[in-house]
Amino acid sequence: GENVEQHPSTLSVQEGDSAVIKCTYSDSASNYFPWYKQELGKRPQLIIDIRSNVGEKKDQRIAVTLNKTAKHFSLHITETQPEDSAVYFCAASSRGGSNYKLTFGKGTLLTVNP
Amino acid sequence: SAVISQKPSRDICQRGTSLTIQCQVDSQVTMMFWYRQQPGQSLTLIATANQGSEATYESGFVIDKFPISRPNLTFSTLTVSNMSPEDSSIYLCSVKGGQETQYFGPGTRLLVL
Repeated sequence: GENVEQHPSTLSVQEGDSAVIKCTYSDSASNYFPWYKQELGKRPQLIIDIRSNVGEKKDQRIAVTLNKTAKHFSLHITETQPEDSAVYFCAASSRGGSNYKLTFGKGTLLTVNP
Repeated sequence: SAVISQKPSRDICQRGTSLTIQCQVDSQVTMMFWYRQQPGQSLTLIATANQGSEATYESGFVIDKFPISRPNLTFSTLTVSNMSPEDSSIYLCSVKGGQETQYFGPGTRLLVL
Protein backbone atom coordinates (compact mmCIF):
# COMPACT_ATOMS: atom_id res chain seq x y z
CA GLY A 1 0.00 0.00 0.00
CA GLU A 2 0.82 3.67 -0.08
CA ASN A 3 3.32 5.12 2.41
CA VAL A 4 3.64 8.86 3.00
CA GLU A 5 6.63 10.36 4.80
CA GLN A 6 6.45 13.95 6.08
CA HIS A 7 9.24 16.26 7.27
CA PRO A 8 9.95 18.05 9.46
CA SER A 9 7.84 16.91 12.41
CA THR A 10 8.15 20.36 13.99
CA LEU A 11 8.94 23.73 12.44
CA SER A 12 9.34 27.07 14.17
CA VAL A 13 9.55 30.31 12.17
CA GLN A 14 9.39 34.02 12.82
CA GLU A 15 6.34 35.93 11.69
CA GLY A 16 6.80 37.05 8.10
CA ASP A 17 9.21 34.24 7.21
CA SER A 18 8.39 31.39 4.84
CA ALA A 19 7.70 27.80 5.89
CA VAL A 20 8.19 24.70 3.78
CA ILE A 21 6.90 21.20 4.59
CA LYS A 22 7.90 18.24 2.46
CA CYS A 23 6.29 14.87 1.80
CA THR A 24 7.28 11.82 -0.18
CA TYR A 25 5.05 8.99 -1.33
CA SER A 26 5.74 5.46 -2.43
CA ASP A 27 2.97 4.52 -4.88
CA SER A 28 3.64 5.88 -8.35
CA ALA A 29 -0.08 5.44 -9.11
CA SER A 30 -0.99 8.16 -6.59
CA ASN A 31 -2.65 11.05 -8.34
CA TYR A 32 -4.19 13.35 -5.73
CA PHE A 33 -2.32 15.17 -2.96
CA PRO A 34 -4.23 17.29 -0.42
CA TRP A 35 -2.91 19.28 2.52
CA TYR A 36 -4.88 19.69 5.74
CA LYS A 37 -4.48 22.19 8.57
CA GLN A 38 -5.57 21.14 12.05
CA GLU A 39 -5.73 23.69 14.82
CA LEU A 40 -5.74 22.48 18.39
CA GLY A 41 -9.04 20.81 19.24
CA LYS A 42 -10.45 21.35 15.75
CA ARG A 43 -11.13 19.14 12.77
CA PRO A 44 -8.65 18.86 9.87
CA GLN A 45 -9.43 21.49 7.24
CA LEU A 46 -8.49 21.10 3.58
CA ILE A 47 -6.34 24.10 2.65
CA ILE A 48 -5.01 23.21 -0.79
CA ASP A 49 -4.67 20.19 -3.05
CA ILE A 50 -2.94 19.26 -6.27
CA ARG A 51 -3.49 16.60 -8.89
CA SER A 52 -0.86 14.69 -10.75
CA ASN A 53 -1.38 16.53 -14.02
CA VAL A 54 -0.25 19.81 -12.44
CA GLY A 55 3.20 20.75 -11.15
CA GLU A 56 2.30 23.71 -8.98
CA LYS A 57 -0.77 25.36 -7.51
CA LYS A 58 -1.04 28.59 -5.57
CA ASP A 59 -3.73 30.14 -3.41
CA GLN A 60 -2.73 33.52 -1.93
CA ARG A 61 0.08 32.81 0.58
CA ILE A 62 -0.08 29.04 0.16
CA ALA A 63 1.41 27.02 -2.67
CA VAL A 64 1.98 23.34 -3.33
CA THR A 65 4.51 21.84 -5.72
CA LEU A 66 4.58 18.29 -7.05
CA ASN A 67 7.46 16.34 -8.55
CA LYS A 68 6.03 13.07 -9.88
CA THR A 69 9.37 11.74 -10.99
CA ALA A 70 10.86 12.06 -7.52
CA LYS A 71 7.51 11.25 -5.86
CA HIS A 72 7.52 14.21 -3.56
CA PHE A 73 5.35 17.25 -2.96
CA SER A 74 5.76 20.30 -0.76
CA LEU A 75 3.67 22.94 0.97
CA HIS A 76 4.97 26.49 0.92
CA ILE A 77 3.56 29.20 3.17
CA THR A 78 4.86 32.72 2.62
CA GLU A 79 4.61 35.74 4.93
CA THR A 80 3.65 33.52 7.83
CA GLN A 81 1.31 34.85 10.51
CA PRO A 82 0.65 33.62 14.06
CA GLU A 83 -2.71 32.23 12.93
CA ASP A 84 -0.84 29.85 10.62
CA SER A 85 0.32 28.00 13.74
CA ALA A 86 -1.22 24.51 13.57
CA VAL A 87 -0.48 20.92 12.63
CA TYR A 88 -0.28 20.35 8.89
CA PHE A 89 -0.89 16.94 7.30
CA CYS A 90 -0.09 15.88 3.77
CA ALA A 91 -1.88 12.96 2.15
CA ALA A 92 -1.88 10.93 -1.03
CA SER A 93 -4.64 9.09 -2.83
CA SER A 94 -3.56 6.14 -4.89
CA ARG A 95 -6.85 4.70 -6.02
CA GLY A 96 -10.03 5.84 -7.62
CA GLY A 97 -13.64 4.77 -7.63
CA SER A 98 -14.79 2.51 -4.82
CA ASN A 99 -11.18 1.77 -3.84
CA TYR A 100 -10.38 5.42 -3.11
CA LYS A 101 -8.68 6.24 0.17
CA LEU A 102 -6.22 8.78 1.54
CA THR A 103 -2.99 7.92 3.30
CA PHE A 104 -1.75 10.63 5.66
CA GLY A 105 1.70 11.72 6.71
CA LYS A 106 2.51 11.98 10.41
CA GLY A 107 2.05 15.74 10.51
CA THR A 108 4.14 18.86 11.05
CA LEU A 109 3.61 21.16 14.02
CA LEU A 110 4.20 24.68 12.71
CA THR A 111 4.76 27.44 15.23
CA VAL A 112 4.87 31.04 14.01
CA ASN A 113 6.47 33.30 16.60
CA PRO A 114 5.29 36.92 16.69
CA SER B 1 -18.18 21.52 0.89
CA ALA B 2 -20.47 19.23 2.89
CA VAL B 3 -21.62 20.14 6.39
CA ILE B 4 -20.86 17.22 8.71
CA SER B 5 -22.01 16.77 12.30
CA GLN B 6 -21.14 14.13 14.86
CA LYS B 7 -22.76 12.99 18.08
CA PRO B 8 -21.65 12.88 20.80
CA SER B 9 -18.92 15.49 20.69
CA ARG B 10 -17.25 13.84 23.68
CA ASP B 11 -17.89 11.09 26.17
CA ILE B 12 -16.32 9.37 29.15
CA CYS B 13 -17.02 5.64 29.29
CA GLN B 14 -16.24 2.71 31.51
CA ARG B 15 -14.14 -0.15 30.21
CA GLY B 16 -16.14 -3.05 28.85
CA THR B 17 -18.97 -0.88 27.59
CA SER B 18 -19.76 0.21 24.02
CA LEU B 19 -20.34 3.62 22.46
CA THR B 20 -22.07 4.42 19.18
CA ILE B 21 -20.99 7.55 17.34
CA GLN B 22 -23.30 9.12 14.79
CA CYS B 23 -22.30 11.04 11.68
CA GLN B 24 -24.78 13.13 9.71
CA VAL B 25 -24.11 14.90 6.40
CA ASP B 26 -26.25 17.63 4.87
CA SER B 27 -26.07 16.12 1.37
CA GLN B 28 -25.99 12.67 -0.16
CA VAL B 29 -22.50 11.21 -0.42
CA THR B 30 -21.36 7.88 -1.79
CA MET B 31 -18.33 7.32 0.39
CA MET B 32 -18.00 7.92 4.12
CA PHE B 33 -14.96 7.11 6.20
CA TRP B 34 -14.19 6.61 9.86
CA TYR B 35 -10.80 7.65 11.25
CA ARG B 36 -9.09 7.44 14.60
CA GLN B 37 -6.67 10.11 15.79
CA GLN B 38 -4.78 9.36 18.98
CA PRO B 39 -3.36 12.31 20.93
CA GLY B 40 -0.59 14.02 19.00
CA GLN B 41 -0.82 11.50 16.17
CA SER B 42 -1.89 11.40 12.56
CA LEU B 43 -5.15 10.20 11.09
CA THR B 44 -5.62 6.44 10.81
CA LEU B 45 -8.36 5.06 8.62
CA ILE B 46 -10.54 2.52 10.40
CA ALA B 47 -12.94 1.67 7.60
CA THR B 48 -14.80 2.89 4.54
CA ALA B 49 -18.58 2.82 4.89
CA ASN B 50 -20.48 2.43 1.64
CA GLN B 51 -24.24 2.58 1.47
CA GLY B 52 -25.79 -0.75 0.61
CA SER B 53 -22.70 -2.85 1.23
CA GLU B 54 -20.49 -4.05 4.05
CA ALA B 55 -17.89 -1.64 5.36
CA THR B 56 -14.31 -2.21 4.24
CA TYR B 57 -11.91 -2.38 7.19
CA GLU B 58 -8.24 -1.48 7.20
CA SER B 59 -5.55 -3.76 8.54
CA GLY B 60 -5.67 -3.89 12.32
CA PHE B 61 -9.37 -3.06 12.59
CA VAL B 62 -12.14 -5.68 12.74
CA ILE B 63 -15.89 -5.57 12.45
CA ASP B 64 -16.50 -7.15 15.85
CA LYS B 65 -14.65 -4.29 17.54
CA PHE B 66 -15.83 -1.46 15.27
CA PRO B 67 -19.20 -2.33 13.71
CA ILE B 68 -20.37 0.26 11.21
CA SER B 69 -23.80 1.00 9.81
CA ARG B 70 -24.62 3.01 6.70
CA PRO B 71 -28.40 2.96 6.31
CA ASN B 72 -28.56 5.78 3.76
CA LEU B 73 -26.46 8.30 1.83
CA THR B 74 -26.42 10.94 4.58
CA PHE B 75 -25.83 8.95 7.79
CA SER B 76 -23.44 6.47 9.33
CA THR B 77 -22.63 5.11 12.78
CA LEU B 78 -19.45 3.68 14.26
CA THR B 79 -19.64 1.58 17.42
CA VAL B 80 -16.60 1.11 19.61
CA SER B 81 -17.26 -2.19 21.37
CA ASN B 82 -15.99 -3.65 24.63
CA MET B 83 -13.89 -0.56 25.22
CA SER B 84 -10.53 -0.45 26.96
CA PRO B 85 -8.40 2.58 27.88
CA GLU B 86 -6.43 2.03 24.65
CA ASP B 87 -9.55 3.05 22.73
CA SER B 88 -9.32 6.56 24.16
CA SER B 89 -8.97 8.71 21.08
CA ILE B 90 -10.69 11.14 18.75
CA TYR B 91 -12.95 9.45 16.21
CA LEU B 92 -13.66 11.40 13.04
CA CYS B 93 -16.04 10.73 10.23
CA SER B 94 -15.23 12.01 6.79
CA VAL B 95 -16.95 12.19 3.43
CA LYS B 96 -15.66 12.21 -0.09
CA GLY B 97 -16.85 15.18 -2.03
CA GLY B 98 -16.40 15.96 -5.68
CA GLN B 99 -13.08 15.29 -7.41
CA GLU B 100 -11.60 13.27 -4.55
CA THR B 101 -11.77 16.05 -1.97
CA GLN B 102 -12.44 14.79 1.53
CA TYR B 103 -14.02 16.71 4.40
CA PHE B 104 -14.02 15.90 8.09
CA GLY B 105 -16.58 16.05 10.83
CA PRO B 106 -15.78 17.79 14.15
CA GLY B 107 -14.80 14.54 15.83
CA THR B 108 -15.85 12.64 18.96
CA ARG B 109 -13.45 12.73 21.90
CA LEU B 110 -13.62 9.45 23.77
CA LEU B 111 -12.04 8.76 27.14
CA VAL B 112 -12.25 5.23 28.50
CA LEU B 113 -11.61 4.74 32.20
